[in-house]
Amino acid sequence: EAGVAQSPRYKIIEKRQSVAFWCNPISGHATLYWYQQILGQGPKLLIQFQNNGVVDDSQLPKDRFSAERLKGVDSTLKIQPAKLEDSAVYLCASTQIATGPRAGANVLTFGAGSRLTVL
Amino acid sequence: KQEVTQIPAALSVPEGENLVLNCSFTDSAIYNLQWFRQDPGKGLTSLLLIQSSQREQTSGRLNASLDKSSGRSTLYIAASQPGDSATYLCAVRPGTGGFKTIFGAGTRLFVKA
Repeated sequence: EAGVAQSPRYKIIEKRQSVAFWCNPISGHATLYWYQQILGQGPKLLIQFQNNGVVDDSQLPKDRFSAERLKGVDSTLKIQPAKLEDSAVYLCASTQIATGPRAGANVLTFGAGSRLTVL
Repeated sequence: KQEVTQIPAALSVPEGENLVLNCSFTDSAIYNLQWFRQDPGKGLTSLLLIQSSQREQTSGRLNASLDKSSGRSTLYIAASQPGDSATYLCAVRPGTGGFKTIFGAGTRLFVKA
């Protein structure tokens, strides 16, 4: 089975510029997550989608971050305008289903991540 | 609110040693707990997943245990090798509150040849 695909792998931008990251989850996975991982810390959830609906975006800085999931498959995370503190790795993950009696058996699978450096 | 803590933050051991990494969580209402490995500059690789009804899972030299009542999990690595050097992350999927998976900060392991 193909894994979670992410692009670009690396991006360097100036502060106040914009950037977009793309994620293609594993086929058939209904739930998609975007995490932010700052160096030396564990991943922090930014947004969770179930199919093409948002389940949780409580930690997404909505004044500058936005995300969408087109037709319940691919997803895009955008930052505009970027700040220095946005420098991090942005990780996309997917799982078959996050709730219900089958949820406990479903492995969370990550992509390789997109490393953002804001100068 | 679910919180996940990993101890120690960093660990250095000689090759061949058996070692234990610890993970604790504050709310026992979870769907599962998953251990991941992360190499520098890379994404997360799933090692073991323990469902809430299970006590342990094994894969090769790795064994993970789960004690929900005490809010603890351990990852046991037998006969460590330099190739085991990486950051190990513990993550829980809560059974309530939106079902988002919550991570600890990780334990950075260095195995010396």
